[in-house]
Amino acid sequence: AQSVTQLGSHVSVSEGALVLLRCNYSSSVPPYLFWYVQYPNQGLQLLLKYTSAATLVKGINGFEAEFKKSETSFHLTKPSAHMSDAAEYFCAVRINMDTGRRALTFGSGTRLQVQP
Amino acid sequence: DAGITQSPRYKITETGRQVTLMCHQTWSHSYMFWYRQDLGHGLRLIYYSAAADITDKGEVPDGYVVSRSKTENFPLTLESATRSQTSVYFCASSEDPGQVNSPLHFGNGTRLTVT
Repeated sequence: AQSVTQLGSHVSVSEGALVLLRCNYSSSVPPYLFWYVQYPNQGLQLLLKYTSAATLVKGINGFEAEFKKSETSFHLTKPSAHMSDAAEYFCAVRINMDTGRRALTFGSGTRLQVQP
Repeated sequence: DAGITQSPRYKITETGRQVTLMCHQTWSHSYMFWYRQDLGHGLRLIYYSAAADITDKGEVPDGYVVSRSKTENFPLTLESATRSQTSVYFCASSEDPGQVNSPLHFGNGTRLTVT
C-alpha cells in the first residue's frame, strides 16, 4: 500500500531563510504526489502536485518540490520564508492506477514556524 | 456560494450519544470523503463515496456510519460517541481523485469533543 512519511513534525526558520520540508513516499507503482497547506482553523488547500510530467514542480506562494525517484522523495522548498508561510504542511500520495481506492493517503504533517 | 460546507463548526457531546456531522458541496463532485485529524496522525480516511448510494470504508471506519442519498450531501454519524472520537473532522470532495487535475477540496472542519 502507498504511504508517505514526513520527517520532522515541527520546523522553525527565520524570515528570509530557506524552507525545506521533507517527504518520502512508499509505492510500488508510479505515484501521484501532492503537498497541501493548512492555515489555522481552516481546511487544507492544494499547494502543488506531481504528475510525472516534470520532476520539478512549482506551486503557489513560491513553493516548489522535486520528485526524486531514486530517493523516493518529494521534498517541499521555498527559497525565502515569509511570516505568512507559518502553517501546517501535509504531503499526500495516490497511486496511479485505474482501479483501487481513489483517495489520498496523508502524512502526519509538519508545522512550520517562521521567526521574525 | 460555491464550495463545501461543514456543520456544525464546533460540537460538544457526551459519551454514548449519537451525533451527525453534516457536509454539503455545491460542485456536484462525484467523490466525497471524511477524514479525521489527530495530533501525530495527520489525516486518516474514515469513509469515502464515489457517487450517490456508493460508499466504502477507509482506514478508520469503526464507530462511524455514512450515507449518500444525494450527490451533494455526505453526512457522518457517530452512532455512540466515545472519547477516542474527539477530533477534528474534515469533509472533502473531488470530481475524480484518480485524475491529478482534480484535487481535493476541503471544508473548514468540525471540531468534535466527546466528554
